[in-house]
Amino acid sequence: NAGVTQTPKFQVLKTGQSMTLQCAQDMNHEYMSWYRQDPGMGLRLIHYSVGAGITDQGEVPNGYNVSRSTTEDFPLRLLSAAPSQTSVYFCASTMTGTGANVLTFGAGSRLTVL
Amino acid sequence: GEDVEQSLFLSVREGDSSVINCTYTDSSSTYLYWYKQEPGAGLQLLTYIFSNMDMKQDQRLTVLLNKKDKHLSLRIADTQTGDSAIYFCAERPGGYGNKLVFGAGTILRVKS
Repeated sequence: NAGVTQTPKFQVLKTGQSMTLQCAQDMNHEYMSWYRQDPGMGLRLIHYSVGAGITDQGEVPNGYNVSRSTTEDFPLRLLSAAPSQTSVYFCASTMTGTGANVLTFGAGSRLTVL
Repeated sequence: GEDVEQSLFLSVREGDSSVINCTYTDSSSTYLYWYKQEPGAGLQLLTYIFSNMDMKQDQRLTVLLNKKDKHLSLRIADTQTGDSAIYFCAERPGGYGNKLVFGAGTILRVKS
């Protein structure tokens, strides 16, 4: 049981380049989400999905795109990278429902945009 | 909107108790969580508390919730060097599904 797997762990981009951060979970979780972590700002929600075919914006969605074609995968696309997108990105997933629904996090992807 | 505030840094001696404090703004939050992040790693859940409880104990961890003041604390008894990490408080606002709002994190440094 791998949990939440993120790739790549590290990436360096030039301004204007595009790339995709991959996230996969094997726990049959309906809910998946992307956060970015910046020093002194905690984690901020970028996009989330409550099931295959359904996505929605979080707090800081600009410059990012997502899709959810399967339950397992939730890729995050940077359309035209900017230095302000230098951050550590975390994917997290959980079941839906009325319980505590604890988020399980991936190990993170550190992105540097030059 | 929702907001979660934490102090940024706490330093304690090994064996002492640590208390990390958090305030939140959304009175409709259903669950409140404490996550731990070790260097270079993702976040792992330490514990959580449902909003109708005022205390939860789990081995060395004690969570206190003052819903009137919207104040949450995490006490770690007999703090060890392995407890050095960043601790995040998070609220789950009512009616927002599984979205969590995180604080900026408290860096706990344990001196031996």
